[in-house]
Parts: sequence; structure tokens; C-alpha cells
Amino acid sequence: AQKVTQAQTEISVVEKEDVTLDCVYETRDTTYYLFWYKQPPSGELVFLIRRNSFDEQNEISGRYSWNFQKSTSSFNFTITASQVVDSAVYFCALSEALAGYSTLTFGKGTMLLVSP
Amino acid sequence: KAGVTQTPRYLIKTRGQQVTLSCSPISGHRSVSWYQQTPGQGLQFLFEYFSETQRNKGNFPGRFSGRQFSNSRSEMNVSTLELGDSALYLCASSSGLVSYNEQFFGPGTRLTVL
Repeated sequence: AQKVTQAQTEISVVEKEDVTLDCVYETRDTTYYLFWYKQPPSGELVFLIRRNSFDEQNEISGRYSWNFQKSTSSFNFTITASQVVDSAVYFCALSEALAGYSTLTFGKGTMLLVSP
Repeated sequence: KAGVTQTPRYLIKTRGQQVTLSCSPISGHRSVSWYQQTPGQGLQFLFEYFSETQRNKGNFPGRFSGRQFSNSRSEMNVSTLELGDSALYLCASSSGLVSYNEQFFGPGTRLTVL
């Protein structure tokens, strides 16, 4: 069965530090998508990035970067030069072709606290 | 384009009551999914509706049900509320096409059961 593990429950950093959030997934499907969502205190899930299982090219977008490695079933997320506004809960999620992509399996989330 | 809207935003109920939550998807989207978020279990998939039909269902008891109307708006109902049903209920909409399509989440309805 599909599973997403975010081993880090909470991370605290000081502003301007770099921080990496870890995500490990399990799936029997060969075609799937991986996501990162951000949930600020307001509660709404904000989409950050999507990667499909055939695209291992890593990406940098501003202060955000992602490292997808199928060999280790990991999809890690890095924020460089963190800011107080980055404080939120971050979720990694998996969507499988076998399930018609209609469901998302989420990890438990990592709470990131960025202090001034 | 208006985003996903959920009503009400907050609800307080007592054990044994029932509750109905509403979700209006993004215009043109035909798929609506519901998720429950609790501190203990995290985010869990409840069910997905596409064109008024339930297409997928998570592992929740029959007290949790839903429906979708012809305008794609969806409601979920929880009967005989239990304390453990206290949660943030999130709705997500997508186009629902066979190939991958992004899910957009609403702000959620926070349900408190006393």
C-alpha cells in the first residue's frame, strides 16, 4: 500500500538558515506524482510543487528547491535563507495512477518554525 | 477565477448530532474530494465525487457520507457525531480528468464535537 513518511515532526531554525524537509514514500505503482503542500496557520493547503515518477530532474524556484531520488524513494524539499513567513506545516503527498490520481496520501507533516 | 469555498468555516456540535458541510469547487471542476485532518491521524482521504458519482472512498465508517449535485457542489454528512470526529475537514476540487490534474484546496471547516 502507498505510504508517505515525514520523519521530522518539528524543525526550528533562525531566519536566514537553510532547512531541508525530508520525505520518503512507498508505492507499488510505477506511475505516480509527488507533491509538497504548505499549510499556514489559516489552515488552507497551498500547493508548492508536483513531480511525476518519470521526471527526476531537480528544480530550483527562488528560495525553494527539490531533490527527487527514485533510488531511495525520497522527495526532499529545501528552503534557503529561511524567513519568518515560511513558518508553517509542510506536507509531502503521493498520488498514484492505479488510484486514478483521485486521492492524495499525505505524510504526517513537518512543522517549521522560523524565528527572527 | 474564484477558489474553492467551504461553508460553514466553524461548527460546534454535540455528540449524537449530525452535521452537513458544503463545498463549492472551482468553476468548471467536476471532481470534489474530502479529507479529514486531525492531530493524531493527520490528513486522511474520505471520498471523491465526480459527476455526481462517488468514484473513490477512504477507510471511514458509514456515518460519513457525501453527495455531489449537478452543479458539482458537494456536501458531506456525518451522522451520530463522536468526540473523535472533531477535525478540520478540507475539500479539494480538480477537473477530474483521467490523466493527472491538480487538486485545489478550500480553507476547510473546523468541526468541534462536545
